[in-house]
Amino acid sequence: NAGVTQTPKFRILKIGQSMTLQCTQDMNHNYMYWYRQDPGMGLKLIYYSVGAGITDKGEVPNGYNVSRSTTEDFPLRLELAAPSQTSVYFCASSYSGRDNEQFFGPGTRLTVL
Amino acid sequence: AQSVSQHNHHVILSEAASLELGCNYSYGGTVNLFWYVQYPGQHLQLLLKYFSGDPLVKGIKGFEAEFIKSKFSFNLRKPSVQWSDTAEYFCAVTGRGYNKLIFGAGTRLAVHP
Repeated sequence: NAGVTQTPKFRILKIGQSMTLQCTQDMNHNYMYWYRQDPGMGLKLIYYSVGAGITDKGEVPNGYNVSRSTTEDFPLRLELAAPSQTSVYFCASSYSGRDNEQFFGPGTRLTVL
Repeated sequence: AQSVSQHNHHVILSEAASLELGCNYSYGGTVNLFWYVQYPGQHLQLLLKYFSGDPLVKGIKGFEAEFIKSKFSFNLRKPSVQWSDTAEYFCAVTGRGYNKLIFGAGTRLAVHP
């Protein structure tokens, strides 16, 4: 099993550009999550999904969109990139939301200039 | 709202020293508690978790944590650290039935040979 994979590993965007961060898991997990990690701030939840077709906002959803058309994939979309979105983005998955360990991907380092 | 507080942002130790990293959470109900570790350049990995039962939890690589309900604490300990323990450590909490992990800001540990 590859676990949770993310692409790209690094990306530089100009202000106003858009991009999609890809996340795929092969563990047949129902729950998937997107976090951003900023220095000294820990991880903040952006969006999460409890199954295909179901998504919900986390702590910091503004400026992002998600979709979950399959169990495996949970892409994160930035429509109009802003410098405040410079961060490291982690995708995670778990079998269920309760009592379950989340497995993390390797992260995407995004810089918006 | 739930929150997690990690007392030390940076800790520097020599090899063989003992480690204790503090973690306090604010949530009045039943909680699940986690410690994750992020080694340099790598993604987050689970060190240990507490769901119920014995409040002293043993994890990987000789780490342990003690859940003290009356103090809302879940401190991480290791009797003798190694250079390879250099990493960032995150405490996280989720309420039972509550899908989202709330992370602390992290503690960056540097172990000198």
